[in-house]
Amino acid sequence: KAGVTQTPRYLIKTRGQQVTLSCSPISGHRSVSWYQQTPGQGLQFLFEYFSETQRNKGNFPGRFSGRQFSNSRSEMNVSTLELGDSALYLCASSLEGGVGQPQHFGDGTRLSIL
Amino acid sequence: DAKTTQPPSMDCAEGRAANLPCNHSTISGNEYVYWYRQIHSQGPQYIIHGLKNNETNEMASLIITEDRKSSTLILPHATLRDTAVYYCIVRVVNNYGQNFVFGPGTRLSVLP
Repeated sequence: KAGVTQTPRYLIKTRGQQVTLSCSPISGHRSVSWYQQTPGQGLQFLFEYFSETQRNKGNFPGRFSGRQFSNSRSEMNVSTLELGDSALYLCASSLEGGVGQPQHFGDGTRLSIL
Repeated sequence: DAKTTQPPSMDCAEGRAANLPCNHSTISGNEYVYWYRQIHSQGPQYIIHGLKNNETNEMASLIITEDRKSSTLILPHATLRDTAVYYCIVRVVNNYGQNFVFGPGTRLSVLP
């Protein structure tokens, strides 16, 4: 079974630009969550999507947004990029996001802002 | 919100068992304990999870105390490839739903 696939693996942008990251969950998984990982803040939860609806969100500004498609694939968008947005962005999927269901992570997209 | 406490780092000799402790004294009755590990430049890898009973799979064993306030992840025969940061996580349930809250984890170094 294929794992969680994130594209692209690496991305370089400049301040003020916007970026879209893509995540394909494990087949059959309907819950997709996004995380930001930085050396200073560690792994932080951004939001979770289930059945094309944002079901849960973390404490990030509105510049961070996402969506989920009917095939459960998800995209994350960051607008007006800032230097502090440089991070590893991780996507994780689970069957339905239930308490007893583990999330499985992709290897992330490493975003660098110049 | 339940939080976890882990030692920042541990060493283990190759071939020996690695026992990684975790305290979660404020855990609620319906909250699972999850363990993940992250090798540099990769995404976190799921290891094991449990609610009340001890659990074992092909990667590790999870021992949860009877009062559920602490747990131990056991890697029975550590190899160099087990060198990683290990995260003990209790799922957080809030008004919106539930998500994982990652702490700084334990950096395990398996030594030859």
